[in-house]
Amino acid sequence: DTGVSQNPRHKITKRGQNVTFRCDPISEHNRLYWYRQTLGQGPEFLTYFQNEAQLEKSRLLSDRFSAERPKGSFSTLEIQRTEQGDSAMYLCASSFPGAANTEAFFGQGTRLTVV
Amino acid sequence: QQQVKQSPQSLIVQKGGISIINCAYENTAFDYFPWYQQFPGKGPALLIAIRPDVSEKKEGRFTISFNKSAKQFSLHIMDSQPGDSATYFCAADSGGSNYKLTFGKGTLLTVNP
Repeated sequence: DTGVSQNPRHKITKRGQNVTFRCDPISEHNRLYWYRQTLGQGPEFLTYFQNEAQLEKSRLLSDRFSAERPKGSFSTLEIQRTEQGDSAMYLCASSFPGAANTEAFFGQGTRLTVV
Repeated sequence: QQQVKQSPQSLIVQKGGISIINCAYENTAFDYFPWYQQFPGKGPALLIAIRPDVSEKKEGRFTISFNKSAKQFSLHIMDSQPGDSATYFCAADSGGSNYKLTFGKGTLLTVNP
């Protein structure tokens, strides 16, 4: 499968626990994005990497959230001290070098449920 | 502030009919307008996209119409099929160094057989 891969697909956690999601982008895609999607809404931008550099973060990304992309390959999104409001689908996307716009290809997402 | 407004929220069409979904944007810096299709439990999949230098783009049964002066664009699905039943999102971005998509709230399309 050469698409964007996200793991795990589903995560149930207790409030206050930390969780980490992984995203493997399409090979050779140097741009990687994280979005959050709640029920009945469109995806909302969280953060963006070009290679290993995190170039932009949304105000939605509180200090409990941290994203990394070591070596410019896979990326992780960690949420510390989870809250019920963090329950959502977390989507990762990537796009190829030289794209003039965000021609993003999305993974299947990680659905987080905080109980 | 919702920068991309999408309508209708839901749409029911008979097989073979035309599905039309509309979006309006506010930010005149937007210069790329993709449409995404999302099935339940899946991530959004890029369907078709347009840039403002053209007024229409067609790919198979899917057509985007774009009206720059009105800041509106729409997706037309011709000969709609039950397999087209999904949620459709319009989006926009402004390229340059601002690589982030702003999405509409989505339209749930149901195509009845």
